[in-house]
Amino acid sequence: DAEITQSPRHKITETGRQVTLACHQTWNHNNMFWYRQDLGHGLRLIHYSYGVQDTNKGEVSDGYSVSRSNTEDLPLTLESAASSQTSVYFCASREDRNSPLHFGNGTRLTVT
Amino acid sequence: AQRVTQPEKLLSVFKGAPVELKCNYSYSGSPELFWYVQYSRQRLQLLLRHISRESIKGFTADLNKGETSFHLKKPFAQEEDSAMYYCALNPGYSTLTFGKGTMLLVSP
Repeated sequence: DAEITQSPRHKITETGRQVTLACHQTWNHNNMFWYRQDLGHGLRLIHYSYGVQDTNKGEVSDGYSVSRSNTEDLPLTLESAASSQTSVYFCASREDRNSPLHFGNGTRLTVT
Repeated sequence: AQRVTQPEKLLSVFKGAPVELKCNYSYSGSPELFWYVQYSRQRLQLLLRHISRESIKGFTADLNKGETSFHLKKPFAQEEDSAMYYCALNPGYSTLTFGKGTMLLVSP
């Protein structure tokens, strides 16, 4: 069955370090998204991509970057981790703009 | 710009009681609306989309364009319904906009 997987599931890092969270989907979806989930804020969009070599900033993109070199993967990089980036991160994909999102299991990131 | 409002952060009911999770939206076009559910420490999963007009796990949601609402309802809550529920709006030309979520707690 097609799926979307995130790794690692949990990550603890120090302030100032670069961190990359992986997202891999086998749906062959062109549209991929990164969200962060925080209490009181719900889900906020970080970055998204509509296809290979396409990336776009979301609502809370500062301090994050993504790259899309193939259809399956959209890694999220925190250039210099900050405590404010402690959160649960969800990757999602969808077939087209009228389709619902499929979510990964999430990555719980703690920045100390 | 589109916006989704879920006015309740927490809704606590007893098993067997009716449940209504509120969702209001603002959008100038024809909206497509979804409800997503997240059980404890699991991924978000689609519960309902308004165009399907389905009943999933006993939940229903009707789009009311006059009141710009898409409330999620269930006549008799079960303990296993305890979860975080997110309402989301899809404008089609852009990304989904999520509400801040409502935590539903169903007590025995």
